[in-house]
Amino acid sequence: AQKVTQAQTEISVVEKEDVTLDCVYETRDTTYYLFWYKQPPSGELVFLIRRNSFDEQNEISGRYSWNFQKSTSSFNFTITASQVVDSAVYFCALSEAWSNDYKLSFGAGTTVTVRA
Amino acid sequence: GAVVSQHPSRVICKSGTSVKIECRSLDFQATTMFWYRQFPKQSLMLMATSNEGSKATYEQGVEKDKFLINHASLTLSTLTVTSAHPEDSSFYICSARGPYQETQYFGPGTRLLVL
Repeated sequence: AQKVTQAQTEISVVEKEDVTLDCVYETRDTTYYLFWYKQPPSGELVFLIRRNSFDEQNEISGRYSWNFQKSTSSFNFTITASQVVDSAVYFCALSEAWSNDYKLSFGAGTTVTVRA
Repeated sequence: GAVVSQHPSRVICKSGTSVKIECRSLDFQATTMFWYRQFPKQSLMLMATSNEGSKATYEQGVEKDKFLINHASLTLSTLTVTSAHPEDSSFYICSARGPYQETQYFGPGTRLLVL
């Protein structure tokens, strides 16, 4: 069963528009970690954020913000005032505490294209 | 901090040859390293997990004899694709995490093309 679902395959926006990426996860653990990674065309995965299951506080980092809602098992990511450099594939991932190695379960990814 | 390098970044080889890919953690000790494979327009597929000094743990469906993993030190893990065939062509990415760290940091990836 898929643990992380990113229902949006592709999103295309014009520069300066806001874009929200959805992520829904599934776990039976009470302790788990959620991540967002960015993969630009170069291929390298860039770590954006980690959230643990006990911290539901939303976070803002520059133009990026994250909304963690345990009640709906969602961890959505918003890019405000998008720029062309934001064009990339974004992956949401889950790590469960039972996995001693902190293995990651990745979503399918959402490709974001920001047009000038 | 938390920089992971991978070498080579790109390799082209003939069918039947073996290819070694190195993954290094440059500024931290990686107690655990992971190897992933990614096909075009797809997500990452975990191939194996390696802990320093131990044998790697392979995911279901991944051939151990085909993909040899060695994690000999706290900063280096290697993946050797033995007797490579065209179907092994893919993007291979490693990641590493330090002790008591939940976050994996990824290398830049290696594009393998087997002719």
